[in-house]
Amino acid sequence: DQQVKQNSPSLSVQEGRISILNCDYTNSMFDYFLWYKKYPAEGPTFLISISSIKDKNEDGRFTVFLNKSAKHLSLHIVPSQPGDSAVYFCAASALVSSSNTGKLIFGQGTTLQVKP
Amino acid sequence: EAQVTQNPRYLITVTGKKLTVTCSQNMNHEYMSWYRQDPGLGLRQIYYSMNVEVTDKGDVPEGYKVSRKEKRNFPLILESPSPNQTSLYFCASSFVKGGPQHFGDGTRLSIL
Repeated sequence: DQQVKQNSPSLSVQEGRISILNCDYTNSMFDYFLWYKKYPAEGPTFLISISSIKDKNEDGRFTVFLNKSAKHLSLHIVPSQPGDSAVYFCAASALVSSSNTGKLIFGQGTTLQVKP
Repeated sequence: EAQVTQNPRYLITVTGKKLTVTCSQNMNHEYMSWYRQDPGLGLRQIYYSMNVEVTDKGDVPEGYKVSRKEKRNFPLILESPSPNQTSLYFCASSFVKGGPQHFGDGTRLSIL
């Protein structure tokens, strides 16, 4: 049972345009969400996060939006650059849950290609 | 430089031959974790540790062991590897459990 889903395996956009990566979750106990970027032959690197008490968090070109009622989050990259080409994973955890084990539940990943 | 270091980066071995993948972090993090990445499945947690001598199972612990004798080290042990453990493995650490984790560069294991 996949609790965090990224339904688009890949996305291709033109340099300078907006990239929108989507993620859906099923567990209403999740209260903290993260996006990671992964280049080939490297480990995932933390990009941006959002707590469930907020619906938007922005860091430079990266903005994460959270829609709790729809159990949906998205990552917007504006403007997209060729160096953004990577695999993007969304992840979720239940920070305030009494059974918090610190585990991050990851989606399957979306491969973003930004064309020059 | 803050980092999580895994060794080896690549290993090809045979079924049943015990192996250990080492993981070390220099950030004084209490929380450490092992994940495996398989196509179409994302990253799944194998084991985690909340502190020295405190370890517990993640989602896919079968066939693996871990130990946490020192805060900085969290080795992953495959006592009798099998082909279904062929995968890409990542070690990670964080200051706060459930918070942003720092990942190593991965270990690609092939069990023949």
